[in-house]
Amino acid sequence: VIWMTQSPSLLSASTGDRVTISCRMSQGISSYLAWYQQKPGKAPELLIYAASTLQSGVPSRFSGSGSGTDFTLTISCLQSEDFATYYCQQYYSFPRTFGGGTKVEIK
Amino acid sequence: QVQLQESGPGLVKPSQTLSLTCTVSGGSISSGDYYWSWIRQPPGKGLEWIGYIYYSGSTYYNPSLKSRVTISVDTSKNQFSLKLSSVTAADTAVYYCAREPIVVVTYNRHRHYYYYGMDVWGQGTTVTVSS
Repeated sequence: VIWMTQSPSLLSASTGDRVTISCRMSQGISSYLAWYQQKPGKAPELLIYAASTLQSGVPSRFSGSGSGTDFTLTISCLQSEDFATYYCQQYYSFPRTFGGGTKVEIK
Repeated sequence: QVQLQESGPGLVKPSQTLSLTCTVSGGSISSGDYYWSWIRQPPGKGLEWIGYIYYSGSTYYNPSLKSRVTISVDTSKNQFSLKLSSVTAADTAVYYCAREPIVVVTYNRHRHYYYYGMDVWGQGTTVTVSS
């Protein structure tokens, strides 16, 4: 099983800020990593796959980077609709596993 | 546009079996291009992947739940289902179904599998385990 450590678990930020969320794997996964956004009461939505490829329709202020064991999600200019919880997920092997989540809240 | 919709009882008694169905609309579950998965989220907590099924019936379950989980597919109804036996309060969660695109390439007689994350999710259904 591949374990994932996501940090921080809580991030307080203001509209317009640049924010960065990290995800570290217990073993290398090449670039088999996805990022999801989840708003309260809603299902997660795929933002990024293959560590850095934006899913269709996702704003360009979202970006992903990394490979191997260390990955980053960056939101370049935080918008009001971006306040949500973000999860990383590896699909290098089964079982699929998720990071613990990062809640981005209004400062 | 493909949509997934979970359905099933919202309340299950301890020790009984939780049964949910995911109905796929706008696309065929038999296309062979996807794994069909179940994921759950306990109240206030993170996401846990339960398992997947392929249209052929092949499955993979999370080892943490494997002894209690069965996922099946009904291609005639374009549905796949989850059964979780011997439930306890710890199984109380929102249960999601989702699809995971796969691409299989045969090269030098070896199959190579490519994945792209889970791109379509159902809205989720809340299941409470309580007497």
